[in-house]
Amino acid sequence: DTAVSQTPKYLVTQMGNDKSIKCEQNLGHDTMYWYKQDSKKFLKIMFSYNNKELIINETVPNRFSPKSPDKAHLNLHINSLELGDSAVYFCATSRGVNGNTIYFGEGSWLTVV
Amino acid sequence: SQKIEQNSEALNIQEGKTATLTCNYTNYSPAYLQWYRQDPGRGPVFLLLIRENEKEKRKERLKVTFDTTLKQSLFHITASQPADSATYLCALVPSGNTPLVFGKGTRLSVIA
Repeated sequence: DTAVSQTPKYLVTQMGNDKSIKCEQNLGHDTMYWYKQDSKKFLKIMFSYNNKELIINETVPNRFSPKSPDKAHLNLHINSLELGDSAVYFCATSRGVNGNTIYFGEGSWLTVV
Repeated sequence: SQKIEQNSEALNIQEGKTATLTCNYTNYSPAYLQWYRQDPGRGPVFLLLIRENEKEKRKERLKVTFDTTLKQSLFHITASQPADSATYLCALVPSGNTPLVFGKGTRLSVIA
C-alpha cells in the first residue's frame, strides 16, 4: 500500500501541450509538496500546501498551477510546456510545515520534446 | 548567499570500509539537519535527523554528527556493503515555517 503515489510515472509530450500530474497520500498528513529534480539532480521545492491552503510558492512560473481538492491530494497542472520543464517531479508529504520528515513519492519523469 | 554543499559528487569505497560523507552549509542556522537516501529511479527516503543540541546520532550502521560551529554534518556508514550504493542527500530547514532545502547529494558506490 503505497504511502505517496503519483501518476503518471513517465510522461513524454510535445512543447506547448498542457499536462497534469496527480498525487495522493494515505498517511493522513496535513502538508503536501511538489519538488522538482533537474538533470543535475538538484532537488528544489516548488509548492507547499497545508490543509489545502497554498503556503509556499517558490518563484515558479505561473504556467505551473497546483490544486489541492482535499488534504489527501495535490495535483500539478502545467500549461504550455517548454523544453526546460523536462525533469522529475516529486510529490511529498509531512505531518506539518516545520521541516518535519518528508515522505516522497516515486517521482514523475516528464520529458518535453 | 545561502548554500548547502556536499563535498563530492561521487565517492567510491571498498566493501567493509567506513564511508564518510560531508555536508557544509553557509548562512543558515538550522535547528536540525536530515539525511536522505535516493536510489536510481526512486524518491528520496528519510534516514536520520539530528538536532542542533545533539552532537551525534546513530542508527544501526549509520552515524551522523552535527557541528554548528563548523556548520557541518558528517554522515558515516560503517562496514559498508554494495547495497549501500546510492545517492545521499542532506537537508535542512532554513527557518520557521519553511520546507526542507536539499543539498545536491553524494553518489556513493561500494565496490565488492
